[in-house]
Amino acid sequence: DAKTTQPNSMESNEEEPVHLPCNHSTISGTDYIHWYRQLPSQGPEYVIHGLTSNVNNRMASLAIAEDRKSSTLILHRATLRDAAVYYCICSKAAGNKLTFGGGTRVLVKP
Amino acid sequence: DAGVTQSPTHLIKTRGQQVTLRCSPKSGHDTVSWYQQALGQGPQFIFQYYEEEERQRGNFPDRFSGHQFPNYSSELNVNALLLGDSALYLCASSEASEQFFGPGTRLTVL
Repeated sequence: DAKTTQPNSMESNEEEPVHLPCNHSTISGTDYIHWYRQLPSQGPEYVIHGLTSNVNNRMASLAIAEDRKSSTLILHRATLRDAAVYYCICSKAAGNKLTFGGGTRVLVKP
Repeated sequence: DAGVTQSPTHLIKTRGQQVTLRCSPKSGHDTVSWYQQALGQGPQFIFQYYEEEERQRGNFPDRFSGHQFPNYSSELNVNALLLGDSALYLCASSEASEQFFGPGTRLTVL
């Protein structure tokens, strides 16, 4: 699985958008890009995933660069509940093993 | 639907002992994965079970073993415990595009 690089931490104000970048320059053509988040004292939680096209769901949007070497998770209006560690993961298949890195710790300020 | 459940919630063992952790997958899920999460780090993949067989394995020693039962529930066994085995052990079950994680078992080895 391709290695991913994310900033260690980011801060945002409540109700403002948050853009979380992820670099995955060695991604292969068949790797999916997954995002999970882990709230304090909980197991990781699926956020979104994509292959080539941008994706939207009720939680977030995923913007994938045309060359697929980077992607950005967008939380449109951050709430205090969105404070968590966000992990960007490249994986060969959707149900395949997930190789977590250090993730980005998001702090949301009221 | 109860989601992924794990037992026990917390466990304290001493070095050299053996431990068994248990996981019940989300209803309808037939694939179970186990992860180890040390404090302050992202989860690390241990192994994955499908149809009662180990399908994939991460970089963990043979002291870590598992089992999947016909009802898809799973056990993680760790023999000859070391201090470094202290961690949060997460179980995840998968269906299509998402892995659903349980709350984890916190293992402390003294």
